[in-house]
Amino acid sequence: AQSVTQLDSQVPVFEEAPVELRCNYSSSVSVYLFWYVQYPNQGLQLLLKYLSGSTLVKGINGFEAEFNKSQTSFHLRKPSVHISDTAEYFCAVTLGGGYQKVTFGTGTKLQVIP
Amino acid sequence: DARVTQTPRHKVTEMGQEVTMRCQPILGHNTVFWYRQTMMQGLELLAYFRNRAPLDDSGMPKDRFSAEMPDATLATLKIQPSEPRDSAVYFCASGLGQPGTDTQYFGPGTRLTVL
Repeated sequence: AQSVTQLDSQVPVFEEAPVELRCNYSSSVSVYLFWYVQYPNQGLQLLLKYLSGSTLVKGINGFEAEFNKSQTSFHLRKPSVHISDTAEYFCAVTLGGGYQKVTFGTGTKLQVIP
Repeated sequence: DARVTQTPRHKVTEMGQEVTMRCQPILGHNTVFWYRQTMMQGLELLAYFRNRAPLDDSGMPKDRFSAEMPDATLATLKIQPSEPRDSAVYFCASGLGQPGTDTQYFGPGTRLTVL
């Protein structure tokens, strides 16, 4: 079974500074990877996803993530954060082939400091 | 702007009472998911429907929880009887296509408090 680890439960960062949110997955087969964002009192929404092809994936709101198979990672980055990026970010993984349950990480709370 | 709707947004009830949560998926979507989010357990998948048929409810406590899709525009999650440990935010999500690769569109959630 697949699993996903988000080592950082909280990440404080100053406004306009760069940020990286870490995600590592565990699977012996091909995976599909996702980043979702949850703003306060809202449901999750997709930031970006990796299915195949280029390992650098660009998403909404200036975020991007890079799939690294050798390190089994899918870290999320943004070169300059805004106050509005304050939210909780979830990495998720699923296996390829037919129906597979999506497994979510425990989330990383990004706090942007003015 | 199509979106998933959930009712009620908040529910406070007493232990032992029945709770029904409703979800209207995005029109045309053929997959529906129910999740539960708590501080301790994070986001857990409770049930998954495709074309109104339940395909996976392995994450759902069978003795008290039930999930149905009476029609394509309505999904329900019932808890009977409710217990304080059921207190959580319950999310419904819908999608179109293969669940392994498809984007899931989440509703705003129902915050349930069982006293």
